[in-house]
Amino acid sequence: EVHLVESGGGLVRPGGSLRLSCAASGFDFTAYWMTWFRQAPGKGLEWVANIKSDGTEKYYVESVRGRFTISRDNAKTSVSLQMNSLRAEDTALYYCTRVPGRAPDFWGQGTLVTVSS
Amino acid sequence: DIVMTQTPLSLSVTPGQPASISCKSSQSLLHTDGRTYLYWYLQKPGQSPQILIYEVYGRFSGVADRFSGSGSGTDFTLKISRVEAEDAGVYYCMQGLHFPWTFGQGTKVEFK
Repeated sequence: EVHLVESGGGLVRPGGSLRLSCAASGFDFTAYWMTWFRQAPGKGLEWVANIKSDGTEKYYVESVRGRFTISRDNAKTSVSLQMNSLRAEDTALYYCTRVPGRAPDFWGQGTLVTVSS
Repeated sequence: DIVMTQTPLSLSVTPGQPASISCKSSQSLLHTDGRTYLYWYLQKPGQSPQILIYEVYGRFSGVADRFSGSGSGTDFTLKISRVEAEDAGVYYCMQGLHFPWTFGQGTKVEFK
């Protein structure tokens, strides 16, 4: 059974940093792209970043490019999202997902990031 | 960016009756590989999104056969043949053709 468990969320001041992690299990992690999505409180879904199965390709939504970095450790079957220079508009529930093609099939439960002074 | 537009944004349904949600994209979602990268998700209250339909028509494993997807190019539809109480939530269409992947605004399905 596929399991994706996010961690690392919390309250951070504007301009601060946070590192999200996602522990994956139940599937061949090395065969899949992984993706982070987010959902601001009461809002819709937004794609944030993708990373290829071997980590050689990464893509970001324009609003986080240069501030966020996605990475993965295939030995530990985990994917991370390093978030720097956080802004109030980054406040959201962040989801880790598995991507078999060009869209996610399984989603984690999410970890909440709140950026506020 | 590809803009995804869903209608309606809210749908009040009667259990056992059919329901339909439209999704239009600002450009064709047909890739040169012949596939159309349009997906449907359901987010039940308090839960993470779950995939229903992949590449327009494909019903994901375990998804009830009352859910069906159709369409091509820029116009797509999700149909529920007979809505059940467990189908309540927000439905999103999503395009995976080009980065940034983008979603429709969501259609909230509630029961009368």
